[in-house]
Amino acid sequence: DSGVTQTPKHLITATGQRVTLRCSPRSGDLSVYWYQQSLDQGLQFLIQYYNGEERAKGNILERFSAQQFPDLHSELNLSSLELGDSALYFCASSATEGWYEQYFGPGTRLTVT
Amino acid sequence: GIQVEQSPPDLILQEGANSTLRCNFSDSVNNLQWFHQNPWGQLINLFYIPSGTKQNGRLSATTVATERYSLLYISSSQTTDSGVYFCAVEAGSQGNLIFGKGTKLSVKP
Repeated sequence: DSGVTQTPKHLITATGQRVTLRCSPRSGDLSVYWYQQSLDQGLQFLIQYYNGEERAKGNILERFSAQQFPDLHSELNLSSLELGDSALYFCASSATEGWYEQYFGPGTRLTVT
Repeated sequence: GIQVEQSPPDLILQEGANSTLRCNFSDSVNNLQWFHQNPWGQLINLFYIPSGTKQNGRLSATTVATERYSLLYISSSQTTDSGVYFCAVEAGSQGNLIFGKGTKLSVKP
């Protein structure tokens, strides 16, 4: 157990809908990272927050947004969902601002029908 | 954009064998990392290695940034080493992390 929790574990929704994925980092970790893993695109980095501020940005679509709250949990919002958004979404956390020692959560599997 | 290529795509080993996984990248990078995803989907960050060599138990990694490649060595492989190994590089001003397609390793008992 990495200490990073993600909810929900599974999510099934329809095209056009909006969903929110939640991540709670390990106790004391200030950084949260979001990743998407799909059969088509492979593993992709989406975005990183450090202590509430956006720190690094990857291939995150404009329909997606994220934030990190004062208690350091993070939410990834996906809107106007398309079939191609079906994927496993991972969250990771780290005590550092950089890329070292990331601990991954178990992921949220999103299925868009 | 930067290209990250991993080889081989698939590797089957007998338990106890050694192996070398390779990651080539097409441009200068700020850092390089290796990850392992086990057969149940759990991801683990193995190494942060922008240059030089690091060792962690039976695993070690070497990055030669000037020649744009990194190697991951697995010695005395065990069945628990099975899974997919990903290499990722940081490129660009926004700190985007670009992943390779991975090497799928199967270690047979």
